[in-house]
Amino acid sequence: GEDVEQSLFLSVREGDSSVINCTYTDSSSTYLYWYKQEPGAGLQLLTYIFSNMDMKQDQRLTVLLNKKDKHLSLRIADTQTGDSAIYFCADSYSSASKIIFGSGTRLSIRP
Amino acid sequence: DGGITQSPKYLFRKEGQNVTLSCEQNLNHDAMYWYRQDPGQGLRLIYYSQIVNDFQKGDIAEGYSVSREKKESFPLTVTSAQKNPTAFYLCASRPGELSNTGELFFGEGSRLTVL
Repeated sequence: GEDVEQSLFLSVREGDSSVINCTYTDSSSTYLYWYKQEPGAGLQLLTYIFSNMDMKQDQRLTVLLNKKDKHLSLRIADTQTGDSAIYFCADSYSSASKIIFGSGTRLSIRP
Repeated sequence: DGGITQSPKYLFRKEGQNVTLSCEQNLNHDAMYWYRQDPGQGLRLIYYSQIVNDFQKGDIAEGYSVSREKKESFPLTVTSAQKNPTAFYLCASRPGELSNTGELFFGEGSRLTVL
């Protein structure tokens, strides 16, 4: 079946860049998403990329998509303490009815 | 303000009891979803509904039931048949098939603990 995979943890120093990686299996994805979850709350959409794009930049966020390797990454520049959260990669695959989520990457910031 | 409201935020249940989690949205979205979140396992799809009076099983539907009698409401019942119901439950919605990006809008979640 369709699958989305991410590493579970990432620790970075405040002010450095964070790079969160994701791999997916569906070859007919239309949109790929990054969601952010604060403790004890729901998810909020951070950004998304259409499958015919290679890169999307939005302020401190850069999304890179490598369709050949089915690899998606999220780069957060100048990481701040407020960026501490769980980040989910998600794939809206061909049926368009279901969105499949990865396991989430917990980002922690050290001083 | 438009949004998705889940209630209750916290719920405790004894083994063998059924409980119902409420999800209401005033975004006029066609599709609604229930996900279960466990530590380290991400979000797993329980049920989803694309239109009123219709719903489909997700990946982990056993021990759960839903109804979609109104567009704005999609309650989830956790039955006594669900062997490990303690989890964080998230409801989400999105516009219909013709929406631009397919973004999901989430509620704040309901944490169910079985005693």
